[in-house]
Amino acid sequence: QSALTQPASVSGSPGQSITISCTGTSSDVGGYKYVSWYQQHQGKAPKLMIYDVSTRPSGVSNRFSGSKSGNTASLTISGLQAEDEADYYCNSYTSRGTLVFGRGTKLTVL
Amino acid sequence: DVQLLESGGGLVQPGGSLRLSCAASGFTFSHYAMNWVRQAPGKGLEWVSLVLGGGSRTEYADSVKGRFTISRENSKNTLYLQMNSLGAEDTAVYFCAKDGSGSDVSPYYFDHWGQGIPVTVSS
Repeated sequence: QSALTQPASVSGSPGQSITISCTGTSSDVGGYKYVSWYQQHQGKAPKLMIYDVSTRPSGVSNRFSGSKSGNTASLTISGLQAEDEADYYCNSYTSRGTLVFGRGTKLTVL
Repeated sequence: DVQLLESGGGLVQPGGSLRLSCAASGFTFSHYAMNWVRQAPGKGLEWVSLVLGGGSRTEYADSVKGRFTISRENSKNTLYLQMNSLGAEDTAVYFCAKDGSGSDVSPYYFDHWGQGIPVTVSS
């Protein structure tokens, strides 16, 4: 199972919006509503930010939103804050009944 | 509060074996699928394995299939990962992660994570 494709890095200034893409195939991202996103600060465990493509868990800021079109899912962070600087990973259920992560995107807040 | 606490990591020689444990609390353990996820030094997250709540189904990443075995002991609220024929490519921090969906078909996302336990394969 190949990792999902994410940009290696994105950046934005405080207050701006950024979008991170996550591209897979019809056997994973495109075939199911089970795309999730995780935030990981250096040396910490990942934190769930979005599940089922666009659902925010309780406690996650509404500045984080998710969407999907075809085989590509996206995470948008609006009103960027310094604390958003972290690595972000997408994940999808697959037709093999397994799960697969994206390669990860490093977000830099300028 | 949900807590997941991994143990059993450490230094092992190439070709050796190690068993990781994950002690769970704060939720009805048997009702949720559980997963192992790993992260090699400086690299991204890699899903490793899953087991459904009742243990009826397990799945593995191709990179560990045939070498790793996931299991659970619901009476002890504990998840395990038996790792055999270890190689340098298995060096990573291993996280246990709880399924958030509550589905009895498959885990679909990870809502709680342990703090991770390092495994180093080296001679």
